[in-house]
Amino acid sequence: AQSVAQPEDQVNVAEGNPLTVKCTYSVSGNPYLFWYVQYPNRGLQFLLKYITGDNLVKGSYGFEAEFNKSQTSFHLKKPSALVSDSALYFCAVTWAGGSYIPTFGRGTSLIVHP
Amino acid sequence: EAGVTQFPSHSVIEKGQTVTLRCDPISGHDNLYWYRRVMGKEIKFLLHFVKESKQDESGMPNNRFLAERTGGTYSTLKVQPAELEDSGVYFCASSLGVDRAYEQYFGPGTRLTVT
Repeated sequence: AQSVAQPEDQVNVAEGNPLTVKCTYSVSGNPYLFWYVQYPNRGLQFLLKYITGDNLVKGSYGFEAEFNKSQTSFHLKKPSALVSDSALYFCAVTWAGGSYIPTFGRGTSLIVHP
Repeated sequence: EAGVTQFPSHSVIEKGQTVTLRCDPISGHDNLYWYRRVMGKEIKFLLHFVKESKQDESGMPNNRFLAERTGGTYSTLKVQPAELEDSGVYFCASSLGVDRAYEQYFGPGTRLTVT
């Protein structure tokens, strides 16, 4: 079985400050990890993924995420938040040898204050 | 290239009525998936089509939900009769092949409200 935990329902950060949205996972094999973003009244947009290779993955809109196998985490980060980053963020996991159907977390609402 | 499209964007129906959601995948994508997010919860997998065949429907809640993909192009998800707990956002996604199933492209979703 695979599972994802996003421990924070909401993250608040001031514009210009760094942001982190947390994600931990559990899978049977080597994980494939994803971050998606949903802006208000929009669909899910792919941000970045980790399949293999470098633990630090860079994605769209200046976001990056670090795969940490020992801590089974894949936290989303951005050095300087923008008000326009305010949205709902979903972490997802699947694994090599599995069905490739991702399991999603509950989502974290990111609010960036001017 | 057009993305995944879904229709309608919003639907409000009364308990006991029927609603049909439609998804048009990216052209050439054999794999089509339906997901649902109930307010405040995780996005949950409903089912997976490969072309016109149901590959995995383990996430379908009950027999009030019927999904079809005639001809292997667009898909419909019918809820009949709708219940209050069916309210949520229904997402459709598509991918190129089974081995690329982790690279799914999502549609904007249909927000279903059952009153």
